[in-house]
Amino acid sequence: NAGVTQTPKFRILKIGQSMTLQCAQDMNHNYMYWYRQDPGMGLKLIYYSVGAGITDKGEVPNGYNVSRSTTEDFPLRLELAAPSQTSVYFCASSSLSQGANNEQFFGPGTRLTVL
Amino acid sequence: QKEVEQNSGPLSVPEGAIASLNCTYSDRVSQSFFWYRQYSGKSPELIMSIYSNGDKEDGRFTAQLNKASQYVSLLIRDSQPSDSATYLCAVNAYGNKLVFGAGTILRVKS
Repeated sequence: NAGVTQTPKFRILKIGQSMTLQCAQDMNHNYMYWYRQDPGMGLKLIYYSVGAGITDKGEVPNGYNVSRSTTEDFPLRLELAAPSQTSVYFCASSSLSQGANNEQFFGPGTRLTVL
Repeated sequence: QKEVEQNSGPLSVPEGAIASLNCTYSDRVSQSFFWYRQYSGKSPELIMSIYSNGDKEDGRFTAQLNKASQYVSLLIRDSQPSDSATYLCAVNAYGNKLVFGAGTILRVKS
């Protein structure tokens, strides 16, 4: 299993440009998440999904959009990039919660710089 | 606002010593608690989870939970230079969403 994969690894955008960060998992996990991590900070939840066709906002959703058409893929769309979106973006997934024990598996991250 | 607080560090310990990392959380309904290790430039990886009051041991790692005090800690025995990383505390308040602390930088000096 490849686990959680993310592309691209690095990207530089100009202010106002748009892009899509790709995330895929091959573990048949229902839950998927997008986080951003700013230097010296913890992970902030942007959006999450509990299954195909179902998405919801996290703590910091402004400036982003998501879709979940399949169990495997959970792309994150940035519209009109701003310098404040310079960050490292992590995608994660976990299986359907049957209790308290539910590990989130993280992808390798995408480092985005907006200039 | 659900919050998870950690001392940012850096916490410096000599090789072979016990490293003690602490975390407090604000939401009393939190049920699940996790410690992730993150090496510089890498993604977080789960090292411990704990759900009940008391201690949970796994190799050199011990997680301690006190729900009454809203406090969770991670002890690393016989610290090694390879343990040098940022340790993130995460709390599951509801559903399957985690709230992360900002992390504690641990440096183990040989």
